Amino acid sequence: QLQLLESGPGLVKPSETLSLICTVSGASISSSTYYWGWVRQPPGKGLEWIGSISYSGTVYYNPSLKSRVTMSVDTSKNQFSLRLSSVTAADTAVYYCARHPSGSYHHFDYWGQGTLVTVSS
Amino acid sequence: QSALTQPASVSGSPGQSITISCTGASSDIGDYNYVSWHQQHPGKAPRLIIYEVSDRPSGVSSRFSGSKSGNTASLTISGLQAEDEADYYCNSYTSNNVLVFGGGTKLTVL
Repeated sequence: QLQLLESGPGLVKPSETLSLICTVSGASISSSTYYWGWVRQPPGKGLEWIGSISYSGTVYYNPSLKSRVTMSVDTSKNQFSLRLSSVTAADTAVYYCARHPSGSYHHFDYWGQGTLVTVSS
Repeated sequence: QSALTQPASVSGSPGQSITISCTGASSDIGDYNYVSWHQQHPGKAPRLIIYEVSDRPSGVSSRFSGSKSGNTASLTISGLQAEDEADYYCNSYTSNNVLVFGGGTKLTVL
């Protein structure tokens, strides 16, 4: 049974860097057939794709966030991570990690439970 | 890339059918058969219900169906049930390996 679990600080100060980790269980992040991604949802609002990464480090970012986003993979820990720099209150959201299905980059088939990150001083 | 356009809300009575539209552009929905739909109950993570326009993952009820015409995709829920009350999001692949979501539609079962 695939499980994804987000972890990281729930409170980040403005102008600082938001850092989150997604721990994957029930599947190997090293599989060459999967991409892994991040999606966020501001309170009361819709979903926004942040970016996706393969085990080998190939990344695709949302153009609107590209200048502030870095994603990476740690195959030894079966984890992938998100860093979002220079955050503002507009970055307050529930952040989800998710998996793209095997051989497809076009949608997500498994999601983590999400973690709320609040940007406030 | 702009977000896909969905109606803010739709409603229907139990047993009825409803359709949620998702309008994009020729660079996303119009050009690719990579439209997916997710259902999200309050406080829960999204759940995939339709992928590649009209395919259903294992375990998803056949009451959910998807289609596409031109730059607009649609999700139809037939035989509406109380448990279908949720938010629904469309999602499309676009050029340059970018993914875009719709703004979401709140379904109310009357």
